[in-house]
Amino acid sequence: GQQVMQIPQYQHVQEGEDFTTYCNSSTTLSNIQWYKQRPGGHPVFLIQLVKSGEVKKQKRLTFQFGEAKKNSSLHITATQTTDVGTYFCAGPGRKGKTSYDKVIFGPGTSLSVIP
Amino acid sequence: DARVTQTPRHKVTEMGQEVTMRCQPILGHNTVFWYRQTMMQGLELLAYFRNRAPLDDSGMPKDRFSAEMPDATLATLKIQPSEPRDSAVYFCASGLVGDIAGEAFFGQGTRLTVV
Repeated sequence: GQQVMQIPQYQHVQEGEDFTTYCNSSTTLSNIQWYKQRPGGHPVFLIQLVKSGEVKKQKRLTFQFGEAKKNSSLHITATQTTDVGTYFCAGPGRKGKTSYDKVIFGPGTSLSVIP
Repeated sequence: DARVTQTPRHKVTEMGQEVTMRCQPILGHNTVFWYRQTMMQGLELLAYFRNRAPLDDSGMPKDRFSAEMPDATLATLKIQPSEPRDSAVYFCASGLVGDIAGEAFFGQGTRLTVV
């Protein structure tokens, strides 16, 4: 079945430093989503990328979809303590040659920010 | 403010007991997902429904788990009999899905502990 992998698993940064998490798939993705989950909370949708090479920004967050649509990244500039949480990428599930529109989550990158 | 509602928020039960978790999706959403989150396995997709019809429950242990959507305002996930390894946070999410998966809105989750 479809799998998306993420690295790193954990990242500890000093407040003000930048942070990047990477998402990789062995197959081409029709789209990719990013979610954030605060400790003790539930996943919250951040963004969806659909086009090859797409780059989207949300304030200090920059999301990128690879040209081959097999990888994606999330970059946070000048981290703040409010950025703490786990960041998940999520792609559509795939079975054989049929692409389903269910949402399969990667393992996530847990970000800690040291004040 | 539309939101996905899950009940109960917490459940402690003894091994062998039946557990029923409920979810009220956002009105107008055509897709409902059930996820299980553990430290070891991350966010696993158990089952999902489109327009109340089950599309895929391959992620669910069939012998003890069952998911249903008796009407558009209620989705249920049952475990019978429950086992300690079922202890996890169970999330319901809903979304409006077209050609590609859109944003999934998550409920607060049900934290299940089986002793």
